[in-house]
Amino acid sequence: ETGVTQTPRHLVMGMTNKKSLKCEQHLGHNAMYWYKQSAKKPLELMFVYSLEERVENNSVPSRFSPECPNSSHLFLHLHTLQPEDSALYLCASSQGGTGEPSTDTQYFGPGTRLTVL
Amino acid sequence: AQSVTQLGSHVSVSEGALVLLRCNYSSSVPPYLFWYVQYPNQGLQLLLKYTSAATLVKGINGFEAEFKKSETSFHLTKPSAHMSDAAEYFCAVSEGVSGGSYIPTFGRGTSLIVHP
Repeated sequence: ETGVTQTPRHLVMGMTNKKSLKCEQHLGHNAMYWYKQSAKKPLELMFVYSLEERVENNSVPSRFSPECPNSSHLFLHLHTLQPEDSALYLCASSQGGTGEPSTDTQYFGPGTRLTVL
Repeated sequence: AQSVTQLGSHVSVSEGALVLLRCNYSSSVPPYLFWYVQYPNQGLQLLLKYTSAATLVKGINGFEAEFKKSETSFHLTKPSAHMSDAAEYFCAVSEGVSGGSYIPTFGRGTSLIVHP
């Protein structure tokens, strides 16, 4: 397995369910990101982890809870979501950490298509 | 603060025609600039990036972009469009973050439509 993988690729859940999205990177990177991509809206940065520490949280509702147990894995725990949370959730990784910012490139996973009923 | 504007949410060209996707940026320091492409049901993939070296940057799949500081632009071009170029294209800008992660700001994206 290479690059950035995400599971599941598709998820349908009710508003009272609890589910988790998983991201794994096989690139030896130090930084990982969660993005939300909704139709007709810009890509929204949700969370950033660098060296397993959260460094950015763009005022995301508490119904989204990230977890980064190590530099290769990133989770997004979901509970009591709303229909407007339906979107494509993208995970990305980059060298980050002690890497050179000028050459830091993000590598994206294929995304999880989330539908909240 | 950094920002990026992509002019035109949709661009339509004929196969074989020139592709021009526009991107203008705003940055308080010399920026790093990126173009990413997203094919249907996939994540974003880097096409090319500008990191203060040559102003004309060549990327994958025959794409290139020119950094013009005076115009604060970083437009993406390809001399001859292929059907396989049909996708969503995103311009991104970053000022870099010292000592840690590198966090870009993305534009809204431009959908490239290629007609036979």
